[in-house]
Amino acid sequence: SQTIHQWPATLVQPVGSPLSLECTVEGTSNPNLYWYRQAAGRGLQLLFYSVGIGQISSEVPQNLSASRPQDRQFILSSKKLLLSDSGFYLCAWSGTSGYTGELFFGEGSRLTVL
Amino acid sequence: AQKVTQAQTEISVVEKEDVTLDCVYETRDTTYYLFWYKQPPSGELVFLIRRNSFDEQNEISGRYSWNFQKSTSSFNFTITASQVVDSAVYFCACDGGYNKLIFGAGTRLAVHP
Repeated sequence: SQTIHQWPATLVQPVGSPLSLECTVEGTSNPNLYWYRQAAGRGLQLLFYSVGIGQISSEVPQNLSASRPQDRQFILSSKKLLLSDSGFYLCAWSGTSGYTGELFFGEGSRLTVL
Repeated sequence: AQKVTQAQTEISVVEKEDVTLDCVYETRDTTYYLFWYKQPPSGELVFLIRRNSFDEQNEISGRYSWNFQKSTSSFNFTITASQVVDSAVYFCACDGGYNKLIFGAGTRLAVHP
């Protein structure tokens, strides 16, 4: 069966420090991968999505970047964090053969920037 | 571009009450998909239902039911005889292509014993 894991689960970082959140998927090949952010009291905002290795699409201009070095690995990064980067980050995957529209989400990573 | 509006920020009910969560969407696509996800306190989103734009039949799954009305661009979700375990944040979403889901702001449902 397919599984998705992301880490760390919780992170407290000072303003200006770097960030790296990792997400891996097991049990499937060539998934579409996504990073969403859930800010306090707000909905889920799509940040990045990837349809293949090295292929990254950014949905909103921001202080973050994403990379997909391997088929089932998706990394969210920042060189210098801002206070506004605080939030709950969710990684997700979806299949590419046959449309279902269903996303499978990881456990989430809660980032607090102080 | 797609947009999803969930006007109810928070709803509080007592166990066994019925509750309806509203969802209004905007899209220029003639073919699209709508979704509901549940986010329990653990944080992980759980898929509940997918509905395509060609199928306007209401759907019932146990205590859950969904009312899709194209004429009003609404996809409302009703929980019958609510239970404490239904307490969660519920998100409505619309497909934006490439399985990119555009989510609403969510409705926090609190069911009290």
